[in-house]
Amino acid sequence: AQTVTQSQPEMSVQEAETVTLSCTYDTSESDYYLFWYKQPPSRQMILVIRQEAYKQQNATENRFSVNFQKAAKSFSLKISDSQLGDAAMYFCAIMDSNYQLIWGAGTKLIIKP
Amino acid sequence: EAGVTQFPSHSVIEKGQTVTLRCDPISGHDNLYWYRRVMGKEIKFLLHFVKESKQDESGMPNNRFLAERTGGTYSTLKVQPAELEDSGVYFCASSQMGVPFSGANVLTFGAGSRLTVL
Repeated sequence: AQTVTQSQPEMSVQEAETVTLSCTYDTSESDYYLFWYKQPPSRQMILVIRQEAYKQQNATENRFSVNFQKAAKSFSLKISDSQLGDAAMYFCAIMDSNYQLIWGAGTKLIIKP
Repeated sequence: EAGVTQFPSHSVIEKGQTVTLRCDPISGHDNLYWYRRVMGKEIKFLLHFVKESKQDESGMPNNRFLAERTGGTYSTLKVQPAELEDSGVYFCASSQMGVPFSGANVLTFGAGSRLTVL
């Protein structure tokens, strides 16, 4: 069975600084995808970034980047130059071979002005 | 392009009553998924439609939950009778049929329907 663990229930960061959200996972599959989603207070779940497991290069999307360590089964999200609009619940997820998403418990990110 | 729409945004019912949640996926998306997040826990998969057919319903908690997708368009999720532990946020997501893990396969989520059972 696949599992996703987010060990930080809540994180806070000063506006304009950098924050890293951790995620570890467990899977026996060799091919899978990893995702970070954010859920702002409006509750719309939005895809932040995704990573193909077979790609060694870390995915980046503007101020968002991941540190993908396949051997360690770690998939952390780095947010640079944090903005007030980044405040949200962040969920890490893995997609299995049945195309189901297995989710972590989420990390609440607070941005301090 | 309109996104995934869910209705109602919030429903408050008493234990034993019935509630029906609706999801309108993005037009042309054959895949439709239901997930729920109960009491601040992990989001859990409920089921997956491909067009009007149930591809995978292994996540449905019990027979009090009934999901349908008429004509492969919108989907409903009925809870009857509702229990206290059913409270949570129910998310719907849709995606196109396409090459697995391709960009077309990325899920687009609705805003969720919050269910409170008293």
